[in-house]
Amino acid sequence: DAGVIQSPRHEVTEMGQEVTLRCKPISGHDYLFWYRQTMMRGLELLIYFNNNVPIDDSGMPEDRFSAKMPNASFSTLKIQPSEPRDSAVYFCASSFSWTGELFFGEGSRLTVL
Amino acid sequence: KNQVEQSPQSLIILEGKNCTLQCNYTVSPFSNLRWYKQDTGRGPVSLTIMTFSENTKSNGRYTATLDADTKQSSLHITASQLSDSASYICVVSPAGNTGGFKTIFGAGTRLFVKA
Repeated sequence: DAGVIQSPRHEVTEMGQEVTLRCKPISGHDYLFWYRQTMMRGLELLIYFNNNVPIDDSGMPEDRFSAKMPNASFSTLKIQPSEPRDSAVYFCASSFSWTGELFFGEGSRLTVL
Repeated sequence: KNQVEQSPQSLIILEGKNCTLQCNYTVSPFSNLRWYKQDTGRGPVSLTIMTFSENTKSNGRYTATLDADTKQSSLHITASQLSDSASYICVVSPAGNTGGFKTIFGAGTRLFVKA
């Protein structure tokens, strides 16, 4: 298995632009997570899905952030409009079962100028 | 409040030496505790997992210990190698369905192994 695949690996954009991050989880995993990592705050859970259904989005910072999972093999995290404080590395992770090991992608490094 | 605290924040050791990283948590009850290794520019990778009934778990040169009474865990690295340079993150998962995946992440310990 190729593991969790994220794209793009790097994104540089200007404030106010829309950003879409993509994730393909490991086949057969039924949980998908979006995390944000910064030096100041470490890893923060933004939202997670179970069987494509959003379960908890309490970590989503504000309405500018949205996430979807239209099918078992694809998820997006969208920021509209983006702001400089959104600059961070965004990780997607998947897992099989709720106590299972989290398998992380390589992350998408976002820089908002 | 559920918290996970790691120490030290950073550590520099010489290649071949041993080191121990600490993790203290207040999550209770908890389901399991994991240690993850995160190389620079990469995603975290799980090293070990322990449930509350386990005291020690090894993975090659990595040995994790857990004291559920004092709510402390440690990660011991034996005969360090340059490739061990990374951040090591302690992660605790609360027990119960409501805990679910509200895993609590420590801030990590940044380890530098020098030749």
